[in-house]
Amino acid sequence: SQQGEEDPQALSIQEGENATMNCSYKTSINNLQWYRQNSGRGLVHLILIRSNEREKHSGRLRVTLDTSKKSSSLLITASRAADTASYFCAFQGGSEKLVFGKGTKLTVNP
Amino acid sequence: EAQVTQNPRYLITVTGKKLTVTCSQNMNHEYMSWYRQDPGLGLRQIYYSMNVEVTDKGDVPEGYKVSRKEKRNFPLILESPSPNQTSLYFCASGSDVGVYGYTFGSGTRLTVV
Repeated sequence: SQQGEEDPQALSIQEGENATMNCSYKTSINNLQWYRQNSGRGLVHLILIRSNEREKHSGRLRVTLDTSKKSSSLLITASRAADTASYFCAFQGGSEKLVFGKGTKLTVNP
Repeated sequence: EAQVTQNPRYLITVTGKKLTVTCSQNMNHEYMSWYRQDPGLGLRQIYYSMNVEVTDKGDVPEGYKVSRKEKRNFPLILESPSPNQTSLYFCASGSDVGVYGYTFGSGTRLTVV
């Protein structure tokens, strides 16, 4: 399967702590994207990192990409209860198609 | 407001009764796609369309049809639904996906009994 794999599948932390989620993939990619999904709702695009980039920041989000290891990580700093959601990585190869991972379910406890 | 609109949000139907889930986007996006989401399996692509009159199969196309007669609309058709098509369905659209990513609809929860 071309699907990405997120790790861990579920993560529970306290408000104020950092949350780190990892994603691995198997093919060559042009970019890797992270999406957020609140329970049962549509996915929302968070951040995109190109294959020639190693790190990218957006607000409290930090994404890294290691193409030699075919892996990426998403760090959410100073987490809030409102960050509770599922987070998906998705990678794009040579077409417009995005292949999604299975997601990490993050719970931030107040 | 830029958005992808799916209808209906919830649908319960019986096996074999043809149904259509509509998807419309107002962003003039060339690319549109349908995904299904199932517990433990993540999002899997059903069909996609690169532009008007251009559609292609994704990873799980069996039992589904699509059409793209207009740029803004991309309906998903289940000719003879079966219980294994019970799922949460998402429509997504994009342009320059490698720059801006996808915009997703709010989802359609389908139950086939």
